[in-house]
Amino acid sequence: GQQLNQSPQSMFIQEGEDVSMNCTSSSIFNTWLWYKQDPGEGPVLLIALYKAGELTSNGRLTAQFGITRKDSFLNISASIPSDVGIYFCAGRNNNNDMRFGAGTRLTVKP
Amino acid sequence: GAVVSQHPSRVICKSGTSVKIECRSLDFQATTMFWYRQFPKQSLMLMATSNEGSKATYEQGVEKDKFLINHASLTLSTLTVTSAHPEDSSFYICSARRRGGLSLSSEQYFGPGTRLTVT
Repeated sequence: GQQLNQSPQSMFIQEGEDVSMNCTSSSIFNTWLWYKQDPGEGPVLLIALYKAGELTSNGRLTAQFGITRKDSFLNISASIPSDVGIYFCAGRNNNNDMRFGAGTRLTVKP
Repeated sequence: GAVVSQHPSRVICKSGTSVKIECRSLDFQATTMFWYRQFPKQSLMLMATSNEGSKATYEQGVEKDKFLINHASLTLSTLTVTSAHPEDSSFYICSARRRGGLSLSSEQYFGPGTRLTVT
């Protein structure tokens, strides 16, 4: 099946720093989603992208749907301690099949 | 909103018994519900997809007789782990989606998960 390559696997940053993570695929998706998961909780939807080239923001979060439709990135600006968690990208194809990346574990040091 | 609840949040059961997990969409009608399994420090693994009133579609390698899924209404799906064994211990997460076009309101929203421990 379609594989999503999410990187980096983990990040250790200082509070206030900006963060960037991305997902790539060998196949085309028509929707890219970004979720955040806190320990022991279910993933929470952060941003949804539906058009190639689309750039969408949600507070300090910004995500883009790559022009080739095979990649997406998520940026977090001015990180704060509550940004800690695991961020998952997800791509959905035109068969409505959704695949998840392996996740990026973010640690923010105060 | 799009709120999905799961019950119970944690369950401990003895090997050989069955456990039922409920997933409810609280403020929308979920035409499709999904069940995922997640191992520590790993991504979500889709187990099955169910549409209201239809039989669930299981992913390859998931035993349908062991993981019984019932999607009896537009707001409720249940996952029953039958004859549970210690290797079934995991974090089970449901997700729900309403029928619609490309918009946030028709995306997949997740429940808080159920931690199953089989002793």
